[in-house]
Amino acid sequence: ETGVTQSPTHLIKTRGQQVTLRCSSQSGHNTVSWYQQALGQGPQFIFQYYREEENGRGNFPPRFSGLQFPNYSSELNVNALELDDSALYLCASSLRAPGFETQYFGPGTRLLVL
Amino acid sequence: AQSVTQPDIHITVSEGASLELRCNYSYGATPYLFWYVQSPGQGLQLLLKYFSGDTLVQGIKGFEAEFKRSQSSFNLRKPSVHWSDAAEYFCAVGETILTGGGNKLTFGTGTQLKVEL
Repeated sequence: ETGVTQSPTHLIKTRGQQVTLRCSSQSGHNTVSWYQQALGQGPQFIFQYYREEENGRGNFPPRFSGLQFPNYSSELNVNALELDDSALYLCASSLRAPGFETQYFGPGTRLLVL
Repeated sequence: AQSVTQPDIHITVSEGASLELRCNYSYGATPYLFWYVQSPGQGLQLLLKYFSGDTLVQGIKGFEAEFKRSQSSFNLRKPSVHWSDAAEYFCAVGETILTGGGNKLTFGTGTQLKVEL
């Protein structure tokens, strides 16, 4: 069983640039969630994708956007980067089911905005 | 909105000693509760989860947690800590996303565990 993978592992950008982060879901999973983890904090929910559509969003501005592809992999795009966007970005995959679906996390992409 | 409180930012224990990490949640209904562990520079690994039923839940690596509704708590325990347990531990509560029917996690701020040899 293949786990959740993310790329790249590290990234350095400058303020105002745009960035794309990628996530491959665990085999058999059809839902992808993205979280932002600032230094010293717990992860915060950005949004979730199911059936290639955004399924819910946390308190993040529209410059955070995403995609899900037919193979259930996903991208997180951030436009007009700000210094506060520096964080570990975590992707989690799950299988949509009745009740609560357990989310399994990837290793994350560490983004530094200068 | 749901919230999770982990009162202890840092905890230091000696190898072989017992461990209890505290977690309190705020949620109106029966919660879905999780403990995750994060090693330095790594993602989150699921230790255990509580959905319903027996309030004492067993997880991986010898960890267990007890759900106490009256105290709104879900504390993580281990009888004997190993040096490899040094990591950051996150408690999380799950809730349904009203607009889409999926689920999201709300995390606490974490407890950093240091193990002294």
